[in-house]
Amino acid sequence: DTAVSQTPKYLVTQMGNDKSIKCEQNLGHDTMYWYKQDSKKFLKIMFSYNNKELIINETVPNRFSPKSPDKAHLNLHINSLELGDSAVYFCASRRAGVRTDTQYFGPGTRLTVL
Amino acid sequence: QQQVKQSPQSLIVQKGGISIINCAYENTAFDYFPWYQQFPGKGPALLIAIRPDVSEKKEGRFTISFNKSAKQFSLHIMDSQPGDSATYFCAASVRKPDSSNTGKLIFGQGTTLQVKP
Repeated sequence: DTAVSQTPKYLVTQMGNDKSIKCEQNLGHDTMYWYKQDSKKFLKIMFSYNNKELIINETVPNRFSPKSPDKAHLNLHINSLELGDSAVYFCASRRAGVRTDTQYFGPGTRLTVL
Repeated sequence: QQQVKQSPQSLIVQKGGISIINCAYENTAFDYFPWYQQFPGKGPALLIAIRPDVSEKKEGRFTISFNKSAKQFSLHIMDSQPGDSATYFCAASVRKPDSSNTGKLIFGQGTTLQVKP
């Protein structure tokens, strides 16, 4: 069984469109994350939710809006897509707590904006 | 101060050789230092991690060396194999001693390792 899954795996769209990426984890974790990996493979945290509450909100354009309907799901909606949004987006999860550190990553969603 | 600097950007090693990747940080509040391994088309996966109360941690062929005074840490891969060919990321985070621990990871720039047969 896949621990952290993302849909879709590939997303090709035109500039100006709105799109969503979905993430689900079946690990029973409380904390979930969105990362962006650019063309140079640099990984940067975007958002994090702990049990449906936003706990990390990095400097990201407000065209990006995360939503967590429950602690097993974290979605990312992107409005008015731009060329620079092309990247691989990774979802990750972690068991909340003081001594839990391992983040489990999903397979990624490759977004291409034309 | 939030940066983690990683080098080299790419590395080619012969099978059986030792691969060494280095990272440096500035923020002395960092107290958790993991290494993640990423294969093409896959998400990163935790390889090995260290806390600053020890200077070395070994798991199989993978060893982290940690130098707190120099604010540097490195990954050594002994007896490198073609199957080790991947991108390696060091990272760092501040672990708060209470429920406010967000687990926020700051990643290095990544090192693409190629192990030649």
